[in-house]
Amino acid sequence: GNSVTQMEGPVTLSEEAFLTINCTYTATGYPSLFWYVQYPGEGLQLLLKATKADDKGSNKGFEATYRKETTSFHLEKGSVQVSDSAVYFCALIGGGSNYKLTFGKGTLLTVNP
Amino acid sequence: DTAVSQTPKYLVTQMGNDKSIKCEQNLGHDTMYWYKQDSKKFLKIMFSYNNKELIINETVPNRFSPKSPDKAHLNLHINSLELGDSAVYFCASSPQVGGRTNEKLFFGSGTQLSVL
Repeated sequence: GNSVTQMEGPVTLSEEAFLTINCTYTATGYPSLFWYVQYPGEGLQLLLKATKADDKGSNKGFEATYRKETTSFHLEKGSVQVSDSAVYFCALIGGGSNYKLTFGKGTLLTVNP
Repeated sequence: DTAVSQTPKYLVTQMGNDKSIKCEQNLGHDTMYWYKQDSKKFLKIMFSYNNKELIINETVPNRFSPKSPDKAHLNLHINSLELGDSAVYFCASSPQVGGRTNEKLFFGSGTQLSVL
């Protein structure tokens, strides 16, 4: 079946530091890949997505590139802000599970001023 | 004009009680979901409905029963609540894009259920 593995948190950074949150996946077929973000006390929101190999998703300064050869979709941001503090979820749809989004376990990011 | 709204936001109840959580979406989406998020933030799908038809039913105790009166509503009823049911429950919906659903989920803000 499909699965998503992302780095365990929590991750604590200072403002303007570089962020990487690793995500790797297992899926049959050609999945679509997503990063969702959950701010404190809120539901999840889609941050970015990529639907085929070598696609780069980007939004709000965050980027992730769909790497089929390494089955990865790492999230990066060059300079984080305090307002980026949240839980980040890597997710995929694919491999016949057309109706089910499979999430990773989430990574808590805290950015200090 | 919240897109996906669920009520109540907080629910505190005693073990053994029966409770319901309501969800409504005004986005015109065909598919709705219930997810459970535990204290470690792990998110697990429970149910999904597409146009009022149940399409995903994960391994969930049959004390949990979803009901979809129309495609804009998906309610969750829980019988005989147990301590382990304490979690945050999220409702979500998604459109169908190019014959594929789930391209983007829109989540409600969650219902924090505490069973004492």
